[in-house]
Amino acid sequence: SQTIHQWPATLVQPVGSPLSLECTVEGTSNPNLYWYRQAAGRGLQLLFYSVGIGQISSEVPQNLSASRPQDRQFILSSKKLLLSDSGFYLCAWSHRDRGSNSPLHFGNGTRLTVT
Amino acid sequence: AQSVSQHNHHVILSEAASLELGCNYSYGGTVNLFWYVQYPGQHLQLLLKYFSGDPLVKGIKGFEAEFIKSKFSFNLRKPSVQWSDTAEYFCAVNALNFGNEKLTFGTGTRLTIIP
Repeated sequence: SQTIHQWPATLVQPVGSPLSLECTVEGTSNPNLYWYRQAAGRGLQLLFYSVGIGQISSEVPQNLSASRPQDRQFILSSKKLLLSDSGFYLCAWSHRDRGSNSPLHFGNGTRLTVT
Repeated sequence: AQSVSQHNHHVILSEAASLELGCNYSYGGTVNLFWYVQYPGQHLQLLLKYFSGDPLVKGIKGFEAEFIKSKFSFNLRKPSVQWSDTAEYFCAVNALNFGNEKLTFGTGTRLTIIP
């Protein structure tokens, strides 16, 4: 069966420090991968998605970047964190060739607090 | 662009009460509709989805949702809730044939069931 791992679960970082959140998927090949941010009262906002190695699409301009160095690895990064980067970050995957017919499978999330 | 409204931010019910969570969307074309649920301490997961056919969709754990095209609504219902239904519920919409990267989520409804 497929599993998705996301770490760390919680993170407290000072303003201006770098960020690296990692997400890996097991049990499937060529998944679509996604990074979402969940803010209280604002639902889930798609930050990045990827349909293949090295292929990243950004949905909103921001202080963050994403990379996909391997087929089942998706990394969310920042060179210098801002206070506004605080939030709950979710990684998700879906089957590549099924469009919306494939539901999103979410990780457990990372609670990031920038101080 | 599509949008999703969930007007109930926090709903509190007693066990055995009936549940209806509202979801309205804004989009002029054909849509796919989803409800996702996040139980405390667990990852976000798909509860049910509507693509076509019978507008009354059955999901897991006794949940159902009805697509009313004329009202642009996809309300979630359950005849008799249980304490274990305490969770946050997200409605989502996608234009037909679009991929998950176009999925738009509502702001979520927190459901608290009192034993």
